[in-house]
Amino acid sequence: DAKTTQPPSMDCAEGRAANLPCNHSTISGNEYVYWYRQIHSQGPQYIIHGLKNNETNEMASLIITEDRKSSTLILPHATLRDTAVYYCIAARRGSTLGRLYFGRGTQLTVWP
Amino acid sequence: EAQVTQNPRYLITVTGKKLTVTCSQNMNHEYMSWYRQDPGLGLRQIYYSMNVEVTDKGDVPEGYKVSRKEKRNFPLILESPSPNQTSLYFCASSDPGQGKGETQYFGPGTRLLVL
Repeated sequence: DAKTTQPPSMDCAEGRAANLPCNHSTISGNEYVYWYRQIHSQGPQYIIHGLKNNETNEMASLIITEDRKSSTLILPHATLRDTAVYYCIAARRGSTLGRLYFGRGTQLTVWP
Repeated sequence: EAQVTQNPRYLITVTGKKLTVTCSQNMNHEYMSWYRQDPGLGLRQIYYSMNVEVTDKGDVPEGYKVSRKEKRNFPLILESPSPNQTSLYFCASSDPGQGKGETQYFGPGTRLLVL
């Protein structure tokens, strides 16, 4: 699986959009980008995933660059409850046997 | 409600006293796994299971055992716990159907302290 690189920390004002970047310059053509988040000491929570098209669900939007070397997770209107560590993972869909490698992630702090 | 449950949530024990942390999921998932999380080291996979009676080692299996006798349950066994197994443990499950094995559902965690 391709390695991903994320900034260790970011902050964002409540109500504003939080844009979390992820670099995956060695991603292969069949690897998806997955995003999870972990609110302090709780179990990680799946957010969204994508291959090359932009994706949106009720939690967030995922923008993947055309060359697929980087992506951005967007929380359109961040709230205090979005304060968490966000993990970006590159993996081949359907082939990991349920094994995921979580890196250090980005600590997002949303302030009032 | 679809969920993964773990018990106990908190446990304090002494070195060498065997313990079991239970994990159960109600989503009929085939894949289940155990992770531990330590400050500065992130989440690391201990063991994983692809189905009943099919288990394999993850990245940090030493000192742990697992079994998968039923699809819904995946207990983690520490036969002789040591202080370096003090950690926060998470169980997870996922469904490999339609390529969803990477969409994992995590339990609430078990915080273990070994004295």
